[in-house]
Amino acid sequence: QKEVEQNSGPLSVPEGAIASLNCTYSDRGSQSFFWYRQYSGKSPELIMFIYSNGDKEDGRFTAQLNKASQYVSLLIRDSQPSDSATYLCAADDNAGNMLTFGGGTRLMVKP
Amino acid sequence: DAMVIQNPRYQVTQFGKPVTLSCSQTLNHNVMYWYQQKSSQAPKLLFHYYDKDFNNEADTPDNFQSRRPNTSFCFLDIRSPGLGDAAMYLCATSTLEQGWGEQFFGPGTRLTVL
Repeated sequence: QKEVEQNSGPLSVPEGAIASLNCTYSDRGSQSFFWYRQYSGKSPELIMFIYSNGDKEDGRFTAQLNKASQYVSLLIRDSQPSDSATYLCAADDNAGNMLTFGGGTRLMVKP
Repeated sequence: DAMVIQNPRYQVTQFGKPVTLSCSQTLNHNVMYWYQQKSSQAPKLLFHYYDKDFNNEADTPDNFQSRRPNTSFCFLDIRSPGLGDAAMYLCATSTLEQGWGEQFFGPGTRLTVL
């Protein structure tokens, strides 16, 4: 059974701080990893994806991947109240066309 | 803009009354997915199509059926909705041309069962 685990939260951070969201996965065959943001009552929106070990930066967002530890993280710098949402981590399968989602971490950024 | 469209956005049905949800895409992606998402839970895959090849998840109830008449459209039929089927239904698409499985989601259909 392929699993992606996330702390459900809520993770509460003050405005301007760094939010750190973590995810572990069970399938060593997974090659690509995705972070989706989901506002309440809305559909998931892709924030970032990563497939190489190390860091990938895009604006205020940095994704980190450690395949040896089967660990993925998302850092949000200068957190804003508009970042308050649920963040879903997903891992693909060997073939790349199926995603296993974690249960999501709810982030609250307080002004 | 290329996108994934779902209709209706909100659907109210009665217990046991069949309902059909629709999804269309202008991305020309060959893979389409239907997910069910309940409050505070991860999206749960119901089915996916790779082109016209239908793939049913093992634990998807028989009450759920799907059709993909062409590349652009996909339908989810719930034959006899129960109270437990109230959820957000998400359609997503992907292409494997770039070698990884990024999925693009539509806005979802919120289903209420009375």
